[in-house]
Amino acid sequence: GQNIDQPTEMTATEGAIVQINCTYQTSGFNGLFWYQQHAGEAPTFLSYNVLDGLEEKGRFSSFLSRSKGYSYLLLKELQMKDSASYLCAVRNQGGKLIFGQGTELSVKP
Amino acid sequence: GAGVSQTPSNKVTEKGKYVELRCDPISGHTALYWYRQSLGQGPEFLIYFQGTGAADDSGLPNDRFFAVRPEGSVSTLKIQRTERGDSAVYLCASSSKTGEGYTFGSGTRLTVV
Repeated sequence: GQNIDQPTEMTATEGAIVQINCTYQTSGFNGLFWYQQHAGEAPTFLSYNVLDGLEEKGRFSSFLSRSKGYSYLLLKELQMKDSASYLCAVRNQGGKLIFGQGTELSVKP
Repeated sequence: GAGVSQTPSNKVTEKGKYVELRCDPISGHTALYWYRQSLGQGPEFLIYFQGTGAADDSGLPNDRFFAVRPEGSVSTLKIQRTERGDSAVYLCASSSKTGEGYTFGSGTRLTVV
C-alpha cells in the first residue's frame, strides 16, 4: 500500500525560510509532487521530483531521496500569501497518485 | 478547454437521492483522476482513468460510487443512494501523457441533507 506522512501544521515568520518534510512508503515509486492549496480553492502544482536531488523554482525548492522515502519543500523569503496547506503526493508505478493529509502553514508578520 | 472544468460547482441533495458530477479535463489529457476532500484533510483518491478505461478504482468506497469516461474525455462520477457521509468536495484532475503535473478543477461541493 501507500502511506504518506507530513506534519499537520507549522508556523513561520514573514521573510524567513521554512522546510516542510514528507516521508512516504509506496509499492513502486514513479514521482513525488508538491501542491499548494488555499482555503476553499483547488490544489495548484508547485513541483515534481522523480530523481534524487534538489529542484529549484524561484522561492520554492523541493528535494527527494528515494532510498530514504523522504522529500521536503523549502520556501524562502516567506510572504503572507504563502499561508496555505501544502500537500505532498506520491505516484506509484501503476499511476495511482496519493496525497498526504497536508501541512497547514501559517505565516506571521 | 483552457483548464479542468467541473460542474456543478455546488450540489445539495437529499439523503437517498442519485447525483452525477461532471469533469471536463484539459483537451488532450489522457489521465483523469477523481478525489474527494473533507475539511482539513488531503484529497482522498477515488479512481483514475487512462483513456477510456479505469486503470485503478481501488479508492471507490463502496458500490454506490461509479465513474465513467466513455470517450476518453469527459468523465462522470455517479453516486447512488447518497448518504450524509458523502458530503465533501469532489475534485477532478487531469494530466498529459508525460504525467509531470496534474491540473485540478475547482471541485464540486456536495452536501447531502
